[in-house]
Amino acid sequence: AQSVTQLGSHVSVSEGALVLLRCNYSSSVPPYLFWYVQYPNQGLQLLLKYTSAATLVKGINGFEAEFKKSETSFHLTKPSAHMSDAAEYFCAVSDPPTSGTYKYIFGTGTRLKVLA
Amino acid sequence: DTAVSQTPKYLVTQMGNDKSIKCEQNLGHDTMYWYKQDSKKFLKIMFSYNNKELIINETVPNRFSPKSPDKAHLNLHINSLELGDSAVYFCASSQEVASGGETQYFGPGTRLLVL
Repeated sequence: AQSVTQLGSHVSVSEGALVLLRCNYSSSVPPYLFWYVQYPNQGLQLLLKYTSAATLVKGINGFEAEFKKSETSFHLTKPSAHMSDAAEYFCAVSDPPTSGTYKYIFGTGTRLKVLA
Repeated sequence: DTAVSQTPKYLVTQMGNDKSIKCEQNLGHDTMYWYKQDSKKFLKIMFSYNNKELIINETVPNRFSPKSPDKAHLNLHINSLELGDSAVYFCASSQEVASGGETQYFGPGTRLLVL
């Protein structure tokens, strides 16, 4: 069964510092991986996704993530944190297309706090 | 212009009541979902419909009944509400892609509080 693990339910960084949010996945087949962001009292918004093309994926708002098969990881990074990045971040893996279910499995989320 | 909309945004009700949450998407997608997000922010899929056909039905109490009158709408009806049903419910939609990895678009959520 597919699963994702997000290490660190809370991460604090100073404004201007590197952001690193960790996600490890478990999948028996090549996975599709996603990072979503949830701002307070809002729905989820796609940041970026990996669908077996380039292993380094660039997303919105300066975020990027690298798919590392050997480490089963898909960590999210941003070189310089901004106050507006404070939010909840979710990593997700989706079922392979052959399953016909289009189901996402979400991680438990990481709350990013940006300190002035 | 809202891609995925939900009504109501907030719902406060008493235990035992029956309530409905409506979801509409104007993206032309053929798959829609309901998710439940608990107080710890854990997000879990409840149901998914593809072209009005139920394709995912997780272990959800049968007090929860989704209804899809057409591809653009997926409503959630909840009977006999319980305290544990208090959560944020998100609707989402996606367009099937043969290669997989389709993006899901989420609504703003409905905050349900059962007293």
